[in-house]
Amino acid sequence: GAVVSQHPSRVICKSGTSVKIECRSLDFQATTMFWYRQFPKQSLMLMATSNEGSKATYEQGVEKDKFLINHASLTLSTLTVTSAHPEDSSFYICSAPGANEQFFGPGTRLTVL
Amino acid sequence: QKEVEQDPGPLSVPEGAIVSLNCTYSNSAFQYFMWYRQYSRKGPELLMYTYSSGNKEDGRFTAQVDKSSKYISLFIRDSQPSDSATYLCAMSRNDYKLSFGAGTTVTVRA
Repeated sequence: GAVVSQHPSRVICKSGTSVKIECRSLDFQATTMFWYRQFPKQSLMLMATSNEGSKATYEQGVEKDKFLINHASLTLSTLTVTSAHPEDSSFYICSAPGANEQFFGPGTRLTVL
Repeated sequence: QKEVEQDPGPLSVPEGAIVSLNCTYSNSAFQYFMWYRQYSRKGPELLMYTYSSGNKEDGRFTAQVDKSSKYISLFIRDSQPSDSATYLCAMSRNDYKLSFGAGTTVTVRA
């Protein structure tokens, strides 16, 4: 099956700094990618849809100025958490749609101290 | 009310037992129904995908969808310790956006 990678797999940062997470589709092109957030023992919540060549669309309640998304190419989307705070600590997962299913990345665990 | 409801468990069964998982949903616009398995600190992996009411079988896994009742199920036969994981139901309209259930944590005891 298709492979989606994420980098880094885990990151620890200080409060107030910005963190960039990359999502790559390794063997297929994705004009659309999705970013999810998962808090401990909770389900995945869709944050935004990343669109190659246009602005991302954000779900209700997600701050677009805090979670910057750039879909730089057909195989790369980046999520930047700006001015991170401890409450942003979470597991961030991206996905890219294939023909009949979504392919998920392995996730990035962000810890903000 | 959440769009997708799933009992978070946890669920503990002996090896060889049948695991029964289910979700209910409120939005009749959902057309595609999926079950994912997620191991700790990993991304979800697709187990089953259906888009019509009825049963779909794949090896030890059977997915059921009842659109009239807005109810979906996943059954795992002859469960193995390696099946221990969190199982997430998910559903979507036709826009690839997935709405997930809370996930049920399953432990299969050897």
